[in-house]
Amino acid sequence: DGGITQSPKYLFRKEGQNVTLSCEQNLNHDAMYWYRQDPGQGLRLIYYSQIVNDFQKGDIAEGYSVSREKKESFPLTVTSAQKNPTAFYLCASRLRLAGQGDTQYFGPGTRLTVL
Amino acid sequence: SQQGEEDPQALSIQEGENATMNCSYKTSINNLQWYRQNSGRGLVHLILIRSNEREKHSGRLRVTLDTSKKSSSLLITASRAADTASYFCATATGANNLFFGTGTRLTVIP
Repeated sequence: DGGITQSPKYLFRKEGQNVTLSCEQNLNHDAMYWYRQDPGQGLRLIYYSQIVNDFQKGDIAEGYSVSREKKESFPLTVTSAQKNPTAFYLCASRLRLAGQGDTQYFGPGTRLTVL
Repeated sequence: SQQGEEDPQALSIQEGENATMNCSYKTSINNLQWYRQNSGRGLVHLILIRSNEREKHSGRLRVTLDTSKKSSSLLITASRAADTASYFCATATGANNLFFGTGTRLTVIP
């Protein structure tokens, strides 16, 4: 899982509560990403950040919020507005290889269950 | 939005056999990448092939790319039980993001 850590590994939430998922990287990568993975589906992009203090919505940003106050950290908040938050959440950072293309390093994931 | 679609959705083979999985995509790309995901874990980058390349090798992995058909294949030779995982293709366009497919679940039977 490289130099990216996510915590907690498992998270349980009651309906109506906001929860924050942590993502930290020590790879000195500029860009970071949050994905959601549901059974039988691929990864869907929630939010991404190219640089500190800047972030953009992905394909399924509704009900989620992020911040990027430090290069190393990109926390994701799942708000009560997210209608179906139970899923596996993956954080990634981007490695840019000159002349090759970008690849992504992933954290181990957080499994969120809404009770 | 998801750009890649893998085929088959699931594949079961005996140890020592070769495993082939395919990926089709919809628009022009800069490169195509393959990732592996063990159950309940994050994805691990395996190999990247650029749009001007047709074939690439890395150990027991062989990737081909046919931009005219908008398709790629991943071949794992002499499979091992440890290769059991889900495999995803991801396409990179002019933007900075990757678009992941739905994955192929590979089971290698010892």
